[in-house]
Amino acid sequence: QLQLQESGPGLVKPSETLSLTCTVSGGSISTSSYYWAWIRQPPGKGLEWIGSIFNSGRTHYSPSLKSRVSISVDTSKNQFSLKLNSVTAADTAVYYCARPNDRHTAMAPFDYWGQGALVIVTS
Amino acid sequence: DIQMTQSPASLSAAVGDRVTITCRASQGISNYLAWYQQKPGKVPKLLIYGAYTLQSGVPSRFSGSGSGTDFTLTISSLQPEDVATYYCQKYTSAPLGLTFGGGTKVEI
Repeated sequence: QLQLQESGPGLVKPSETLSLTCTVSGGSISTSSYYWAWIRQPPGKGLEWIGSIFNSGRTHYSPSLKSRVSISVDTSKNQFSLKLNSVTAADTAVYYCARPNDRHTAMAPFDYWGQGALVIVTS
Repeated sequence: DIQMTQSPASLSAAVGDRVTITCRASQGISNYLAWYQQKPGKVPKLLIYGAYTLQSGVPSRFSGSGSGTDFTLTISSLQPEDVATYYCQKYTSAPLGLTFGGGTKVEI
């Protein structure tokens, strides 16, 4: 059974960089031909796709966050990571990693999700 | 950018009622539309993709319809365990993007 688990600091200071890692178990990032995604949800609000990455390192980012986001993959550790720079209070959210239900495309709905990691931006 | 608008933002219905949630895209998206259920404090769960294809394990009281710009999620007989917020999501490649609707909160 595929499992995804987010990890990283729960508190980040304004103007600094938010960094999270998603560890995948029960499946291989390098051989599975899936994209891997980050999605966030501010407290009490809706869902926002941040971006997706393929095992080759090819990425797609949300236009609204593209200037501040970087997603990378480490196939040797079966992990992918998110960096969001110049954070403000508006970036406070639960951050989910997820996998879509279709191979070879980032543009597909998500059928596997991590449990989510709450990141609070505060001084 | 294609915007996804859900209505209503919230609704209250009785157990056994038929419930319908609407999602409208600002441009045509064919049938590249998914529905998710998120129970309080839980992870979103994929219910329907391709506008009407039920994800494995999802009860048959859930159904989806629509194409182009107008879509609906229907719960044929509302159950207590269906209390949740429901989100639609478009997943077109042109323009590229995965956009969610604002959500519909369903209460009993």
